Amino acid sequence: GAVVSQHPSWVICKSGTSVKIECRSLDFQATTMFWYRQFPKQSLMLMATSNEGSKATYEQGVEKDKFLINHASLTLSTLTVTSAHPEDSSFYICSARDGGRGLYSNQPQHFGDGTRLSIL
Amino acid sequence: SQQGEEDPQALSIQEGENATMNCSYKTSINNLQWYRQNSGRGLVHLILIRSNEREKHSGRLRVTLDTSKKSSSLLITASRAADTASYFCATDEHSGNTPLVFGKGTRLSVIA
Repeated sequence: GAVVSQHPSWVICKSGTSVKIECRSLDFQATTMFWYRQFPKQSLMLMATSNEGSKATYEQGVEKDKFLINHASLTLSTLTVTSAHPEDSSFYICSARDGGRGLYSNQPQHFGDGTRLSIL
Repeated sequence: SQQGEEDPQALSIQEGENATMNCSYKTSINNLQWYRQNSGRGLVHLILIRSNEREKHSGRLRVTLDTSKKSSSLLITASRAADTASYFCATDEHSGNTPLVFGKGTRLSVIA
């Protein structure tokens, strides 16, 4: 089945550091990937839609200069949290659909294992 | 924005019992999906039910969809301790490659 790999799984760093999170589709091509954020015991909130070869689409309230998204290939999207501060500490998860299996509307999203970001 | 509201928010049952979780949503949908999340992990897809379907089964899982009431339910039969996790419903509002809108989730604890 379709697999999405996310790296790193866990990051602890000092305030002011920029952190890059990678999301890879391992056995399918993903022209679109989605980035979500999740606070403890809460649901997933969509941050942005990452599009291969074009600019990402950000949800209202998400700072595009704070959360830089680069989707440079059909299998890789990166999220960079720039100058991270303690309030950016959260669980970040990416997902993608495998369009090669038919209509997107019939396909589930495949999620990475998430990245737990802790800013000290 | 969140669309779904899961009910209950938390559920604790004994192993062997059935667990029922409900989800309500607000807009028209293309399909509705249920996901499971173990603590600190990513989401695992359980079942996708299309808007023109009313019921779907997968192993010990049974999902129903009532588009007139904008609601869905997930039933886990003969629960096991390993079923302990958070369960989320998510709606797919459009037919293209669009993001899902997640509900708040139900935290299920199955006690051995």
